[in-house]
Amino acid sequence: AQTVTQSQPEMSVQEAETVTLSCTYDTSESDYYLFWYKQPPSRQMILVIRQEAYKQQNATENRFSVNFQKAAKSFSLKISDSQLGDAAMYFCAYRSPRAQKLVFGQGTRLTINP
Amino acid sequence: DGGITQSPKYLFRKEGQNVTLSCEQNLNHDAMYWYRQDPGQGLRLIYYSQIVNDFQKGDIAEGYSVSREKKESFPLTVTSAQKNPTAFYLCASSWRGTPNYGYTFGSGTRLTVV
Repeated sequence: AQTVTQSQPEMSVQEAETVTLSCTYDTSESDYYLFWYKQPPSRQMILVIRQEAYKQQNATENRFSVNFQKAAKSFSLKISDSQLGDAAMYFCAYRSPRAQKLVFGQGTRLTINP
Repeated sequence: DGGITQSPKYLFRKEGQNVTLSCEQNLNHDAMYWYRQDPGQGLRLIYYSQIVNDFQKGDIAEGYSVSREKKESFPLTVTSAQKNPTAFYLCASSWRGTPNYGYTFGSGTRLTVV
């Protein structure tokens, strides 16, 4: 079974600086999908960014980008120019093309210091 | 606007009672899911359904039951057999056959045993 590990329970960063959240996963599959979700205090889960494993190019969405290292099974999220609204829990998730379910990591709570 | 509606937002259960959490979607998604969220444990899958009248157990199905009589609806019943039901419950939906799109989530139900 696939597992997802987020080794940083909490992170903090100064406003306008850059922060990187770590995620590693365990799988024997070669084709899969990876996601980062944001859960602000409202607790609404919001998709931040996604990456297909067959794509070598790292995904980017505005200030959010990933560093996808397939051989190392690593999928980190970089947030540039951090804003107060980025404060949230961030979850890394894995999805196999052969399974419907998403497997989530334990989450990282990100605090933005003004 | 399309989306997922979970109700109620807050729910209180007495010991020994069954309670049902509602989840309705108007996205025409095929698959629906129930996750439980506890502090420090991320999201854990309870049940999921890929088509009407069919559903599968997730990782922590004991003490829960579901039904899928309509494509739009996937209610979750927390039975008295669930010994520690206090948690935040999230419902989600997705297309079948498009694993790269991830899930759309509802806003959640906070269940507390009193």
